[in-house]
Amino acid sequence: QQPVQSPQAVILREGEDAVINCSSSKALYSVHWYRQKHGEAPVFLMILLKGGEQKGHEKISASFNEKKQQSSLYLTASQLSYSGTYFCGTEGDFMKTSYDKVIFGPGTSLSVIP
Amino acid sequence: DVKVTQSSRYLVKRTGEKVFLECVQDMDHENMFWYRQDPGLGLRLIYFSYDVKMKEKGDIPEGYSVSREKKERFSLILESASTNQTSMYLCASSSTGNEQFFGPGTRLTVL
Repeated sequence: QQPVQSPQAVILREGEDAVINCSSSKALYSVHWYRQKHGEAPVFLMILLKGGEQKGHEKISASFNEKKQQSSLYLTASQLSYSGTYFCGTEGDFMKTSYDKVIFGPGTSLSVIP
Repeated sequence: DVKVTQSSRYLVKRTGEKVFLECVQDMDHENMFWYRQDPGLGLRLIYFSYDVKMKEKGDIPEGYSVSREKKERFSLILESASTNQTSMYLCASSSTGNEQFFGPGTRLTVL
């Protein structure tokens, strides 16, 4: 039930681009993205909803393919501050009620080096 | 600023002890969550609550219970702590349909 994330880890030089993928075996209502820096709490990046609505930072881009139950997070022109672990969280379509149960993936470690 | 606070940053307990982890949020959020975070496993949901006195099991509820008597407070209880419950515990809150705000975490060590 936990979504799968790929890659597990990636190392980038400043200015390079990266894509982090998240996939689920179940129909999805939404995909959430969070970033956690070492020793800190996870911080919200974006929510992508079934039907195309997005909530989140303007500088972060992501896609949500409902049919394939997949989402990708695009990090362009990476900066040192992008380093951290990125988690995707999925909310099942069949479970959508008045409250949110988000299941998080194992995370992708991203390191940006000068 | 939204604030989610947790009662302790670090906690050391002995096997068999009853452990209480407290979480308080100040944004009137209806949803509150408890996760444990272990290397390579990500954030695993233990329990969540969508209203006062309401709770739902997450993916790994065994060995844990929760209490939500007031909207702002969500407690995680380890009835009899075991060494395999040594972990980082994160609390979060949200209003329905929106982002989760996480607390700083409690690193629990069970000896």
